[in-house]
Amino acid sequence: AQSVTQPDIHITVSEGASLELRCNYSYGATPYLFWYVQSPGQGLQLLLKYFSGDTLVQGIKGFEAEFKRSQSSFNLRKPSVHWSDAAEYFCAVGAMDSSYKLIFGSGTRLLVRP
Amino acid sequence: DTAVSQTPKYLVTQMGNDKSIKCEQNLGHDTMYWYKQDSKKFLKIMFSYNNKELIINETVPNRFSPKSPDKAHLNLHINSLELGDSAVYFCASSQRGANAYEQYFGPGTRLTVT
Repeated sequence: AQSVTQPDIHITVSEGASLELRCNYSYGATPYLFWYVQSPGQGLQLLLKYFSGDTLVQGIKGFEAEFKRSQSSFNLRKPSVHWSDAAEYFCAVGAMDSSYKLIFGSGTRLLVRP
Repeated sequence: DTAVSQTPKYLVTQMGNDKSIKCEQNLGHDTMYWYKQDSKKFLKIMFSYNNKELIINETVPNRFSPKSPDKAHLNLHINSLELGDSAVYFCASSQRGANAYEQYFGPGTRLTVT
């Protein structure tokens, strides 16, 4: 069965520092991959997605992610974090069983130090 | 205009009661979903409807009954509420086709059962 692992429960970075959130997936073929952000008390907002093609994808709010097939990873990065980036980040994979459901990782909470 | 809306935003009720959560999307999508987010922030699919037809039912207790009166609405009715039903319930929508996995989420309904 497909699964998504986000190894870091919490990450704390200083404002202005760079950020990398890790995501590993299990699936034999090329998956559909997503990163969503959930601000406190809010719904989920799509940051970026990877379906095929260029393995470095750009998203909203200055985020990018790189698909690495050899490592089964889809890590999220941002060169300079802003205090408003503090939120919960979810990596997800599209289930390849014609249901079109998303399978989510357990999330990583990002804390930003002033 | 809110793309995916849910009502109510908060719902506090006692064990044994029956309650409903409503979801509406104005994106013209043909597929809608219900996800449950537990106290540890883990998100899991519950149901999915495509053009008013149920296509996913992820081993959810019979006390949960989704209803889709038209493709813009997906409601969730819960009978005989239990303490373990306390969670945040998210509605989402997407359009079948090239971007079928790209789901747009509502703000969530926080259900507290006492």
